[in-house]
Amino acid sequence: NAGVTQTPKFQVLKTGQSMTLQCAQDMNHEYMSWYRQDPGMGLRLIHYSVGAGITDQGEVPNGYNVSRSTTEDFPLRLLSAAPSQTSVYFCASSTGIWANGYTFGSGTRLTVV
Amino acid sequence: AQSVTQPDIHITVSEGASLELRCNYSYGATPYLFWYVQSPGQGLQLLLKYFSGDTLVQGIKGFEAEFKRSQSSFNLRKPSVHWSDAAEYFCAVGIMEYGNKLVFGAGTILRVKS
Repeated sequence: NAGVTQTPKFQVLKTGQSMTLQCAQDMNHEYMSWYRQDPGMGLRLIHYSVGAGITDQGEVPNGYNVSRSTTEDFPLRLLSAAPSQTSVYFCASSTGIWANGYTFGSGTRLTVV
Repeated sequence: AQSVTQPDIHITVSEGASLELRCNYSYGATPYLFWYVQSPGQGLQLLLKYFSGDTLVQGIKGFEAEFKRSQSSFNLRKPSVHWSDAAEYFCAVGIMEYGNKLVFGAGTILRVKS
């Protein structure tokens, strides 16, 4: 059971470039979400999805898009990368029941130069 | 607004010593509370969680946490720290907003000296 898989693990982008961070889970979880982690700020919610075909914005959605065409996949797109998007990105999934908690991927470290 | 405060950015303890990491939360309803640990370059691993019932909860790796409603606290403890416990620890509260959202504290970096 792989859990939550994120690719790539590391990425360097130039300002203005676009890219997609991939996230896949094999636990049949309905809830999936993207967080960014910045020093001294913990993790902040970017976008989330409560099921295939349903997505919505979190706290810091600007500059990011998501889609959820299948239960398994929840890619995060950076439309035009900016240095302020330099961060570590985590994908997480959950059954939606708090007792089961969230499962996190191992993260993608993104640097925008 | 919901928030989680971890007052200590860094903590250093000697191997074998006891540990307490502090966490205070602000949330109007009954909180769902979590502690996660992040080793360098790794994702977040769930240590323990509290929803209701016994206010002292046991987790993995010998950790425990105590929920104190009157103090809005959920402090993490371990009686004897091992060098492998060096990591960053995050306290989080789960809220019924943005789907089911986790609100994280800023984290506490634990260093263990031998």
